[in-house]
Amino acid sequence: DAGVIQSPRHEVTEMGQEVTLRCKLISGHNSLFWYRQTMMRGLELLIYFNNNVPIDDSGMPEDRFSAKMPNASFSTLKIQPSEPRDSAVYFCASSFLSRASEAFFGQGTRLTVV
Amino acid sequence: QQQVKQSPQSLIVQKGGISIINCAYENTAFDYFPWYQQFPGKGPALLIAIRPDVSEKKEGRFTISFNKSAKQFSLHIMDSQPGDSATYFCAGAGNTPLVFGKGTRLSVIA
Repeated sequence: DAGVIQSPRHEVTEMGQEVTLRCKLISGHNSLFWYRQTMMRGLELLIYFNNNVPIDDSGMPEDRFSAKMPNASFSTLKIQPSEPRDSAVYFCASSFLSRASEAFFGQGTRLTVV
Repeated sequence: QQQVKQSPQSLIVQKGGISIINCAYENTAFDYFPWYQQFPGKGPALLIAIRPDVSEKKEGRFTISFNKSAKQFSLHIMDSQPGDSATYFCAGAGNTPLVFGKGTRLSVIA
């Protein structure tokens, strides 16, 4: 199994631009989590989905952030417009619904907004 | 509200020594306590995990000790090696996703 695949690995963008981060789940997994990692705040849960349905998006910092699961194996996290304070490493993780605690992480996308 | 508090923030251990990282949790609904290991440029990876029906779990050089009454758990790395140098995160989960501590950067020096 290839594991959770995220793209791009690195993204540098100018303030005000739209950024889209992509994630492919491990085959058969039906829970999907987006986390953000910063030095100050550590790993924060932004949003999670079960069976393609968003369950809790209370961690999404602002309306500028949105996430979708157009199908069972793929998710996107979009930031529009981006701001310098959005600079962080964004991880997605997936798991089986029945074992939602045992999450497998992708390698992350390092976002820099200048 | 920080539901999982982790200490220390950083730790330097001599090769062959014991590394100890501590965590305390607040949410009594948590029933799963994993430790994740993260190397630079990589995502966190599950290292070892425990459920609250046992007080200790050992896998090779890694041991979790769990104290339900104190709501605390710790990771012990025996015979620490330079290859163990990484950031370690404790976490808790119940019927909700993982809530992570802020991490401990471990450096094992020869």
